[in-house]
Amino acid sequence: GAVVSQHPSWVICKSGTSVKIECRSLDFQATTMFWYRQFPKQSLMLMATSNEGSKATYEQGVEKDKFLINHASLTLSTLTVTSAHPEDSSFYICSAAGGTDTQYFGPGTRLTVL
Amino acid sequence: SQKIEQNSEALNIQEGKTATLTCNYTNYSPAYLQWYRQDPGRGPVFLLLIRENEKEKRKERLKVTFDTTLKQSLFHITASQPADSATYLCALLRCAGSQGNLIFGKGTKLSVKP
Repeated sequence: GAVVSQHPSWVICKSGTSVKIECRSLDFQATTMFWYRQFPKQSLMLMATSNEGSKATYEQGVEKDKFLINHASLTLSTLTVTSAHPEDSSFYICSAAGGTDTQYFGPGTRLTVL
Repeated sequence: SQKIEQNSEALNIQEGKTATLTCNYTNYSPAYLQWYRQDPGRGPVFLLLIRENEKEKRKERLKVTFDTTLKQSLFHITASQPADSATYLCALLRCAGSQGNLIFGKGTKLSVKP
């Protein structure tokens, strides 16, 4: 089956620093990648949708200048949390779709901002 | 506003029994519905997809029904095993014809006791 990886799996950083999370589709080309955030005991919330080579589409309430998304190739998308603060601490999950109805999810990245 | 609800936050059953999880939605006419499994600290894993014109879908011990009149989907695990213990998420495609834009429920945490 399709495999999506994320790196790092967890990261702890100080308030004010920027954190980059990578999402890769390992065995298929992902025309569209999605970034989600999940707080404890909450559902996954879509943050943004990105198509290769174009600007990401952000959901209402998600600051595009704070959460920078780059989808430079058909196998890689990155999410950069700029000037992270404790309220940004969450579980960030990406998914990738290769033209079918199914999204394949990465294992997630646990971000803790001190 | 569109809502998706999974009726139980937690469900405890005995090994060998059938687990039935419910997903209800309002103010929405989804093109299809998906069920995912999520283990603690991990990303969701796709299980089944059912389209609006399908009544039932099966995969091994899993069965999903989709009643667009009741606006409800039921997810069954027959002959449940302790290894089935996890959180199960239902998700609806928000916009028919577009890829992604999934709306997730909060999930039901299933515990199967030996």
